[in-house]
Amino acid sequence: QIQLVQSGGEVKKPGASVKASCKASGYSFSSYGISWVRQAPGQGLEWVGWISASNGNTNYAQKFRDRVTMTTDTSTTTAYLEVRSLRSDDTAVYYCARSGDYVNVNWFDAWGQGTLVTVSS
Amino acid sequence: QSVLTQPPSVSAAPGQRVTISCSGSSSNIGGNLVSWYQQVPGTAPKLLIYEDNKRPSGIPDRFSGSRSGTSATLGITGLQTGDEADYYCGTWDSSLSAGVFGGGTKLTVL
Repeated sequence: QIQLVQSGGEVKKPGASVKASCKASGYSFSSYGISWVRQAPGQGLEWVGWISASNGNTNYAQKFRDRVTMTTDTSTTTAYLEVRSLRSDDTAVYYCARSGDYVNVNWFDAWGQGTLVTVSS
Repeated sequence: QSVLTQPPSVSAAPGQRVTISCSGSSSNIGGNLVSWYQQVPGTAPKLLIYEDNKRPSGIPDRFSGSRSGTSATLGITGLQTGDEADYYCGTWDSSLSAGVFGGGTKLTVL
């Protein structure tokens, strides 16, 4: 079965960086994209960006464009999300989700369990 | 504030039918396919509907979706207590070049 298993929670100080991982299994990794979606405490879903697992193309939401980097490692079928210059309002659960291998994603059919990133001094 | 607009909450009795609306604009719902997600608090979202009205394997036909103009609707029939959750609509926004979601609707089964 399709599984996305994410790394554990992190506590970071403002200004630091965090790198979360998402290990995929149960499907052809390079045939799909991986999107990252975050959810602040008590809030709704917010799309962070997308990466193609076939060629590494990326598309980031405008508000994250200068602070976020998404990468994949096809040898280990793992996707990564790095967020730099963390602020307190980056505190959220970050989900990876499988999506189409095209930039205009409009569905996410499998989700990781989420990685809680807490930014606090 | 979310790009797509959903009612904050809806409620209905067990066995009844409920609909959840999702309103957008020509740059998102008006020109792109819509998906719907169910999220039980403390867990990851789950895909219920994709490409406006298609159900993934394992999703019962009690769940349905439709899109017309710049709005989309999720319908749930035969409500069960297990359907209590938050529901989100999502799509692509061609102007923002970004994925967008509604603010979420909390369903209470009375």
